[in-house]
Amino acid sequence: DAGVTQSPTHLIKTRGQQVTLRCSPKSGHDTVSWYQQALGQGPQFIFQYYEEEERQRGNFPDRFSGHQFPNYSSELNVNALLLGDSALYLCASSLEGSYGYTFGSGTRLTVV
Amino acid sequence: QKEVEQNSGPLSVPEGAIASLNCTYSDRGSQSFFWYRQYSGKSPELIMFIYSNGDKEDGRFTAQLNKASQYVSLLIRDSQPSDSATYLCAAMYSSASKIIFGSGTRLSIRP
Repeated sequence: DAGVTQSPTHLIKTRGQQVTLRCSPKSGHDTVSWYQQALGQGPQFIFQYYEEEERQRGNFPDRFSGHQFPNYSSELNVNALLLGDSALYLCASSLEGSYGYTFGSGTRLTVV
Repeated sequence: QKEVEQNSGPLSVPEGAIASLNCTYSDRGSQSFFWYRQYSGKSPELIMFIYSNGDKEDGRFTAQLNKASQYVSLLIRDSQPSDSATYLCAAMYSSASKIIFGSGTRLSIRP
């Protein structure tokens, strides 16, 4: 039973560029949440997708956008990258109505 | 304003002792609470989930919830060096809502 799969695992981008991160949820899960985790901090909620719609959003600027596909996989897009966007980006999946998330291994984004 | 608060540590505990990790939350409507363990450079791993007042035990781990005091704790008995990690406390308002994490407590088990 495959868990949550994220790609790529590491990424280096230049300030001002755009990036797309991808997530495949655990089999049977239909909800995907994205988190940003800076070094030494807890994960910060970016947004959550359910039924291909953004259901909730955290305190992140519009440069952060996402999408969920019919197969429940999801993408996180970040435009106009800033140095401060350097972080571990975590995707978590869950089943609607259940509690607790399963996290992927994350994508380490470095902006230079 | 942070919604889930944890002492960042580090908390140093001798091997074989009980490690006690604490967390408070601000939203009285929060219904479910989680403890995740995160090793350095890895993603969080769920170790305990609690939604009723009182204690919940799973092996060496015991989660405690006091909704009146808005307090959650995690006890780790017979601490092992492999328990050295950051422990994240998290709260969820409902099953359809987001999970809010604290900043984590670093735990170090010394031999």
